Amino acid sequence: RKEVEQDPGPFNVPEGATVAFNCTYSNSASQSFFWYRQDCRKEPKLLMSVYSSGNEDGRFTAQLNRASQYISLLIRDSKLSDSATYLCVVNIDGNNRLAFGKGNQVVVIP
Amino acid sequence: DAGVTQSPTHLIKTRGQQVTLRCSPKSGHDTVSWYQQALGQGPQFIFQYYEEEERQRGNFPDRFSGHQFPNYSSELNVNALLLGDSALYLCASSLSGVRQPQHFGDGTRLSIL
Repeated sequence: RKEVEQDPGPFNVPEGATVAFNCTYSNSASQSFFWYRQDCRKEPKLLMSVYSSGNEDGRFTAQLNRASQYISLLIRDSKLSDSATYLCVVNIDGNNRLAFGKGNQVVVIP
Repeated sequence: DAGVTQSPTHLIKTRGQQVTLRCSPKSGHDTVSWYQQALGQGPQFIFQYYEEEERQRGNFPDRFSGHQFPNYSSELNVNALLLGDSALYLCASSLSGVRQPQHFGDGTRLSIL
């Protein structure tokens, strides 16, 4: 089983709509979680950390469900500039080794 | 405040050759990790350096080796290049510690002919 699994999509989203996706992780001892955004042929950039209580940053909301071992990301009022691949990232162990999913490709359509 | 910088940006090599990629971490960061990203895949962890020592290693052969210098910069060396080594190589830096997010450089795109 892969350490982090994501449905790659693509997720075609009308501008202004809401889109949500999940990822699952296999190691119940994982300690920290992140969402990164990656534009085509660019480096991943940190979008937000994911906390147990859930957290929000503007139009973006992240949730963590430790019991079911999944993380979610919700994007409200989608903008054309939100088109990118969203990588689910899990810190697998205490030494900060990150495991990445394949990413959820989001295409916002005018 | 300079972010993570990598060099070179692009590199073309042939099978069997050796390559060295370089990374300077974000100012104040002491931990450097290297990742390989093949087309259409998420980054895969190669290894991590802290205090000039390899602290962790992913599932990569010994052809992949690295080094960290006293100024925290790092090199990734790959020997006996294979066609399958063609990928984007990403360097990420962070403070040591579990919850510290990693910041990535622009990457080096390596093509093997």
